[in-house]
Amino acid sequence: DQQVKQNSPSLSVQEGRISILNCDYTNSMFDYFLWYKKYPAEGPTFLISISSIKDKNEDGRFTVFLNKSAKHLSLHIVPSQPGDSAVYFCAAKVVGSNYKLTFGKGTLLTVNP
Amino acid sequence: GAGVSQSPSNKVTEKGKDVELRCDPISGHTALYWYRQRLGQGLEFLIYFQGNSAPDKSGLPSDRFSAERTGESVSTLTIQRTQQEDSAVYLCASSPGGRSRRNEQYFGPGTRLTVT
Repeated sequence: DQQVKQNSPSLSVQEGRISILNCDYTNSMFDYFLWYKKYPAEGPTFLISISSIKDKNEDGRFTVFLNKSAKHLSLHIVPSQPGDSAVYFCAAKVVGSNYKLTFGKGTLLTVNP
Repeated sequence: GAGVSQSPSNKVTEKGKDVELRCDPISGHTALYWYRQRLGQGLEFLIYFQGNSAPDKSGLPSDRFSAERTGESVSTLTIQRTQQEDSAVYLCASSPGGRSRRNEQYFGPGTRLTVT
């Protein structure tokens, strides 16, 4: 039972354009969402997060949008750079738990020069 | 500063053998986590340690899996009588444990385990 779904296994965009990575979830008890980026042979690194009381969080080129009614969040990267090429994982935390994360399967983003 | 380190980086073992994976968390981090990532899958939570509290072992897939942590330092994940389905990348993460940053987990590079 996949509670966090990233339905696009891969995405390819041109340098300078916007990358939009999507994530859907089924558990209404999730109250905190995170995005991690993973390069080959490295562990995931934290990128950006959002609390369920917000609908948008921005950090430089990265913005995460949360639509609670649709149980959907997205990560926007503008402008995309070749160094952004990596696997992006969406993760979520259940209310009352301060540590247990449920991850999606990831989306491989390729930014072409 | 030093990040989370894991050893070995790769391990090939025969079915039925025991393996031990090691994790060195970031110094001062009170929380430590183990995850497993099978091919084409997301990260699966295995176990969580927080200070001297009893660990949350709810993610361990079977009694062949166990983990130990000494204080707030090194942790070892042991898999007994390995099976082919245990083949995966095993990731360790640590976090400061403080409330304001409780969700920022810092991951090691992982140990790729292959059971033949």
